[in-house]
Amino acid sequence: GNSVTQMEGPVTLSEEAFLTINCTYTATGYPSLFWYVQYPGEGLQLLLKATKADDKGSNKGFEATYRKETTSFHLEKGSVQVSDSAVYFCALAGPNSGYSTLTFGKGTMLLVSP
Amino acid sequence: GAGVSQSPRYKVAKRGQDVALRCDPISGHVSLFWYQQALGQGPEFLTYFQNEAQLDKSGLPSDRFFAERPEGSVSTLKIQRTQQEDSAVYLCASSLTPSFETQYFGPGTRLLVL
Repeated sequence: GNSVTQMEGPVTLSEEAFLTINCTYTATGYPSLFWYVQYPGEGLQLLLKATKADDKGSNKGFEATYRKETTSFHLEKGSVQVSDSAVYFCALAGPNSGYSTLTFGKGTMLLVSP
Repeated sequence: GAGVSQSPRYKVAKRGQDVALRCDPISGHVSLFWYQQALGQGPEFLTYFQNEAQLDKSGLPSDRFFAERPEGSVSTLKIQRTQQEDSAVYLCASSLTPSFETQYFGPGTRLLVL
């Protein structure tokens, strides 16, 4: 079956530091890959996505590249802000579900201090 | 426009009670998903509708869980004879079309079973 593994948190950084949150996956076929973010007190929202190998998703300074050879989709940002403090979820949608239902990782909490 | 709304936002139930959780998707969205998120975990898929048809209910944990979307818009997730392990946040998401599309999440209903 499909599964997503994320690095455990919390990840604690100072403002303007470089961020990497690791995500690897197991899936049948070639899934679509997503990063969702959950800010405190808010619902999940899509941050970025990539639908095929070597695609790079990007949004709000965050980037992730779909690496088929390493089955990874690591999230990066060059300079984090306090407002980036949130829980980040890596997810996939696989062909066995018609690329519809999402399989999520456990989430990684990011705490950014001024 | 309005996003996905869910009600109630919080529900406390005594063990053995039946509960009904409502989801109002974004108008015109064909697909509707229910997920269960336990504390400190990522969301887990429960069930999926395309219009009024329930295409996948493989994630429902037991026959005490039942979902419907009779007119292809509003959906209700019903849990009969609630148990303590049902305590979680129940998330609803909708998307315009079934595959590859961004899922828009509601704020969730936090269920606590005492």
